[in-house]
Amino acid sequence: NAGVTQTPKFQVLKTGQSMTLQCAQDMNHEYMSWYRQDPGMGLRLIHYSVGAGITDQGEVPNGYNVSRSTTEDFPLRLLSAAPSQTSVYFCASSPTGHYGYTFGSGTRLTVV
Amino acid sequence: GQQVMQIPQYQHVQEGEDFTTYCNSSTTLSNIQWYKQRPGGHPVFLIQLVKSGEVKKQKRLTFQFGEAKKNSSLHITATQTTDVGTYFCADYNFNKFYFGSGTKLNVKP
Repeated sequence: NAGVTQTPKFQVLKTGQSMTLQCAQDMNHEYMSWYRQDPGMGLRLIHYSVGAGITDQGEVPNGYNVSRSTTEDFPLRLLSAAPSQTSVYFCASSPTGHYGYTFGSGTRLTVV
Repeated sequence: GQQVMQIPQYQHVQEGEDFTTYCNSSTTLSNIQWYKQRPGGHPVFLIQLVKSGEVKKQKRLTFQFGEAKKNSSLHITATQTTDVGTYFCADYNFNKFYFGSGTKLNVKP
C-alpha cells in the first residue's frame, strides 16, 4: 500500500495564480482532510470530507476549494494564490473519525 | 472550534532525562489522539485515548487521559535522541480533528 500520496512535494506560485494540490489514498478510508502548517501555529484544518460527495469547511477555508468525487481522491484547489498561503500542506485520511489519521508527506508551497 | 492547548511549547532535555507534555481543554474531549512529527517530516499517529482515566503505554511512552476528560499527557521516560520532534495532541469533535500547537522536544546527547 502506498498510503496517502501528495503531489507535488514543492511548488512556487506567483500571486494570483491558481493550482491544485493532489491527494490520493489507497486504503479505502472514508475520512480525508487538508491541513496547513505554519511555524508556531500547529496544524490548522482547511477542509474535510467524511465520504465521497461530502465536504465541509474547517477552521481556515477561505481561498481554498475541495471536491470529493471518489473515495480515493481529495484535491485542494487554490483559487488565486496569495503570499499568506505560503505554508506546508498536509493531506490526511482515516477509516472513520474515531481512528488516527495517516498523513501524506506534505506539499511545501511558496507564493511570491 | 474546539481548542486544545499544549504546554510547554518547547522543551530541551539531556539524553536520559524524562519529558512530559500536556494537552488541556476547557470542554470535555470525546477522544484524544497523539502524534509525533520528526523535523522535516509529517505527523505520525501514536495512540488514541477514549475512556476517562485511561492509561496506555508504548515502550518508554506513557499516555494518560484525565478523569474529567479535559486533559491528557504524554510522558517519555529516559529520552533518547530518536525522540526529537514535535508532539501534537488532537481532539475529535463533530467529524473534525483539531490539533494543538504542539510541543517541540530537543534532546541533547
